[in-house]
Amino acid sequence: GQQVMQIPQYQHVQEGEDFTTYCNSSTTLSNIQWYKQRPGGHPVFLIQLVKSGEVKKQKRLTFQFGEAKKNSSLHITATQTTDVGTYFCVPLPYSGGGADGLTFGKGTHLIIQP
Amino acid sequence: DTGVSQNPRHKITKRGQNVTFRCDPISEHNRLYWYRQTLGQGPEFLTYFQNEAQLEKSRLLSDRFSAERPKGSFSTLEIQRTEQGDSAMYLCASSPGTDGDEQFFGPGTRLTVL
Repeated sequence: GQQVMQIPQYQHVQEGEDFTTYCNSSTTLSNIQWYKQRPGGHPVFLIQLVKSGEVKKQKRLTFQFGEAKKNSSLHITATQTTDVGTYFCVPLPYSGGGADGLTFGKGTHLIIQP
Repeated sequence: DTGVSQNPRHKITKRGQNVTFRCDPISEHNRLYWYRQTLGQGPEFLTYFQNEAQLEKSRLLSDRFSAERPKGSFSTLEIQRTEQGDSAMYLCASSPGTDGDEQFFGPGTRLTVL
């Protein structure tokens, strides 16, 4: 599977502060998916980005796909304790390249201090 | 509950024993994936099925691991002659069957090898 670098690996924020995690790839990506895993839980799909420069919002979450389709970001506005967990950006292989399983990486662990 | 289910949820075994896990995907999902996750890491792809056909296996999947999906519905993952390094969370996921579909994860089976 394709590899991306996700930063930071850990992020501590005070409740109410904003949070951003970044994914960077050395190669152009087809699509990218974002998943969230709560402590002790399993990954849950958040969103998929397909188009160059795409921006999608889900309430306080904003997802972006870079113009060159080599990077992506997730921004959370005014974090809440329910946002605690690990956020994974997951690159998808190009169609016709075989249906690989997802390549998760280490993700960004978000820790929120009340 | 129509989500992905896995059994058992926890398994403790002694080194050298064989273990088998079961995954029941979401009904009518054609693709079924197995992942392994260790503490602090993202899920690592092991293998996947399109209906009953096992189409891809990771290099992580040693010859002690075998997976089946005999009727294209539920799947089993067997680990023979378990080693302490096999201790991990084993996650199953399913998707409708098109490249790029979101994957729906089950709660996982936590294996502890003593």
